[in-house]
Order: sequence, then structure tokens, then C-alpha cells
Amino acid sequence: SAVISQKPSRDICQRGTSLTIQCQVDSQVTMMFWYRQQPGQSLTLIATANQGSEATYESGFVIDKFPISRPNLTFSTLTVSNMSPEDSSIYLCSVDSDRGGGYTFGSGTRLTVV
Amino acid sequence: TQLLEQSPQFLSIQEGENLTVYCNSSSVFSSLQWYRQEPGEGPVLLVTVVTGGEVKKLKRLTFQFGDARKDSSLHITAAQPGDTGLYLCAGRDNYGQNFVFGPGTRLSVLP
Repeated sequence: SAVISQKPSRDICQRGTSLTIQCQVDSQVTMMFWYRQQPGQSLTLIATANQGSEATYESGFVIDKFPISRPNLTFSTLTVSNMSPEDSSIYLCSVDSDRGGGYTFGSGTRLTVV
Repeated sequence: TQLLEQSPQFLSIQEGENLTVYCNSSSVFSSLQWYRQEPGEGPVLLVTVVTGGEVKKLKRLTFQFGDARKDSSLHITAAQPGDTGLYLCAGRDNYGQNFVFGPGTRLSVLP
């Protein structure tokens, strides 16, 4: 299965600033997925990123707040813009596993907004 | 919107005990996955079940997919402290590309 490198692993940011999270995959993948995991909660899909097209956002998430780039088949970034304390969460990128059986996840970015 | 429920929400047991956690929905899923997430890490895929009634074993873990493909269970035999973590089930419906995740069962195995 794919190996994903995600960084930063954690960050503490001031409100009003932006943070860009990077995910690098060791193989080419069609779709990459960005999730948010709020403290003590399960995973919520933010958006799906396809190479060469705009990301598809889930209900409740907008491009202005969470812009995503997907410049090639092995890399994607998620930016959390104009942060507030409510954005404090773990952000995870993932890809579909070989044969579509399940997801492989990055190790996550633990974001704290103060 | 398809929803998955998991029970129990929290479980704390002693090393060596057996346990079962459940994942239920009113919707049918084409496949269902179980993941384990440890603190500071992303979820790690444990198993995928596809066929109704399917049973898969992974060492001390036994996974079952309900006949109607609406529910699943995870049974752990002789739990060990290394089994501690958040267990998540996720289902893929017959039409969508994405997975829906349940709220998780947080397991703590005490030595």
C-alpha cells in the first residue's frame, strides 16, 4: 500500500493566520482526500482533490477557508485560512488503497489555534 | 446521508479479557472497513469486508459483516495493552466514491 508523508506533524498558530499542510505520496494516485478530526471525534471529509481539476468540497466546507492544491499525482496541500480556535483539530490526508479496499492515511497534523 | 453508529463509545478492560465492538447502520454498504488509530497517528486499515456474512480473522481479531451488509462487529480475544486505541468503522455505499466513518470506540486495555 501507499506510504504518505504529512507535515507539519503539529503546529500552534495565532488566530487570523493561515497554515498550509503538505502530503506527499510515494506513488501516483488519482484522488487524495482531506479529513478533519476534531478533539474526541471521528473523521469528517473536507474535500476530495483530483489532479488537474478543482477540489470537490463537502457540505460545510468552502474553498476560501480550505484552499487545496493538487499540482501532480503524488502531492497535495491543504491550507487552513484565517484561523480561529474552532479550527483546532487534527487534519489528515488519505488515499485509496490498492484495489480500492480502504484508505491509507498520513500521520496527521495536530493544529492548535490560540 | 448514511450514518454509522458504533458501540460502545468507550471501553476499558483488563489485559486478557475478550471484547466485542459493534458498527451499525440502517443503510446497506458495498464494503465496510475497520481501522485502528493510536494517539498522534492516522488511522490504520485493519480489514475490509465485502460479502454479507463474511468473517475475517487477523490474529486475535475477528471481523464479521452482517448478512444484510448493514452492520459489522469486531471481536478481540485476550486483549493486550497494544490493542489500545480508537477503533473506527467506515462504510462505502453502493453509489458513492467516499467512505463514511463511524464515531469510533475508544478502547483502553489495562495491564
